[in-house]
Amino acid sequence: AQTVTQSQPEMSVQEAETVTLSCTYDTSESNYYLFWYKQPPSRQMILVIRQEAYKQQNATENRFSVNFQKAAKSFSLKISDSQLGDTAMYFCAFMLTQGGSEKLVFGKGTKLTVNP
Amino acid sequence: DTGVSQDPRHKITKRGQNVTFRCDPISEHNRLYWYRQTLGQGPEFLTYFQNEAQLEKSRLLSDRFSAERPKGSFSTLEIQRTEQGDSAMYLCASSFLQGVDYGYTFGSGTRLTVV
Repeated sequence: AQTVTQSQPEMSVQEAETVTLSCTYDTSESNYYLFWYKQPPSRQMILVIRQEAYKQQNATENRFSVNFQKAAKSFSLKISDSQLGDTAMYFCAFMLTQGGSEKLVFGKGTKLTVNP
Repeated sequence: DTGVSQDPRHKITKRGQNVTFRCDPISEHNRLYWYRQTLGQGPEFLTYFQNEAQLEKSRLLSDRFSAERPKGSFSTLEIQRTEQGDSAMYLCASSFLQGVDYGYTFGSGTRLTVV
């Protein structure tokens, strides 16, 4: 079974600074995807960034980037130039992609607060 | 199309009552997922549909839970004889057949409180 671990229940950062959220996962599979989702308070979950396991290059989306270390099974999210609107729960998630449901396995989340 | 819609947003029910939630996915999406999110936890997979067929159910989905997706459009999730442990946010998501390529779209969820 696949598991996802987020070891930081809560984090805070000053506006305009950089913060890194940690995620590790466990799987014996070789083909999979990893995701970071953002869930603002009382709002729907939205995709921040995704990474294909077969790609060595780290994914980047504007101020968001990942550090994907496949051998270490680590997938951290870096948020640069933090903004107040980045305040949210952040979930790391894993998806198998071979002949299955493409269901997501989530970690417990990290609550990020961006302070003015 | 304004995305995935879930109704109601909040539901308070007494223990032992039955409740039903509705999810309206994005109309072009073949796949529809239900997840449950309890306080302090990430969402957990419950079940999914490809068109009208329910193809996988989690062990979390006890006999008191039933989900349907008639005609491959909207879906309902019913919980019979609710228990306090059923209190959670129930999330619906939809995607194209290859969701990983196009991404999931989540609804805002239905928050269930069993008193």
